[in-house]
Amino acid sequence: GQSLEQPSEVTAVEGAIVQINCTYQTSGFYGLSWYQQHDGGAPTFLSYNALDGLEETGRFSSFLSRSDSYGYLLLQELQMKDSASYFCAEGVNAGNMLTFGGGTRLMVKP
Amino acid sequence: NAGVTQTPKFQVLKTGQSMTLQCAQDMNHNSMYWYRQDPGMGLRLIYYSASEGTTDKGEVPNGYNVSRLNKREFSLRLESAAPSQTSVYFCAGKTSGTSSPLHFGNGTRLTVT
Repeated sequence: GQSLEQPSEVTAVEGAIVQINCTYQTSGFYGLSWYQQHDGGAPTFLSYNALDGLEETGRFSSFLSRSDSYGYLLLQELQMKDSASYFCAEGVNAGNMLTFGGGTRLMVKP
Repeated sequence: NAGVTQTPKFQVLKTGQSMTLQCAQDMNHNSMYWYRQDPGMGLRLIYYSASEGTTDKGEVPNGYNVSRLNKREFSLRLESAAPSQTSVYFCAGKTSGTSSPLHFGNGTRLTVT
């Protein structure tokens, strides 16, 4: 089974801030990535953390705590177009093997 | 610039039939991957190729084989399709380096009846 855990669904209103959590358990961890997938589309890369701390890319930020085996994706100033599924993914085996969590479906309401 | 190209886009098979899903990339990716995604679920890694000439099993390799034909191409073969293999299959590639992102193809929607 998948070793990354994330909530299955989150709902928020336009303009709000939402945090999507991800916990992982695999040894040999090389980093945590986040991907966005709209219905019917392919996943696209959002962010990557190898070291503890916050990475900011526009309205999206991602955080990692290696000691807690935990990370999160923070989405600010939510827009309707942010309604999508969000996946965390971990790299193991020198970063060559990438496995995904089950995904969090974000619904943004007006 | 095509990126990662998968063929076919759609396929319907009968149980027991075989087929090969093709994937080609023009982004100079060293590593290539095959994932399957079932409705409402995450992506599960079937096989990956960290570099030309190598392939490794992922989380769900049973019932599949792969070939890394050259640096550009990575194919996935179903020797005897089963209804449990009905899924959307995504090919992806990445360059070397742990921080390099995966670039995905548009997917192949496979139905096995």
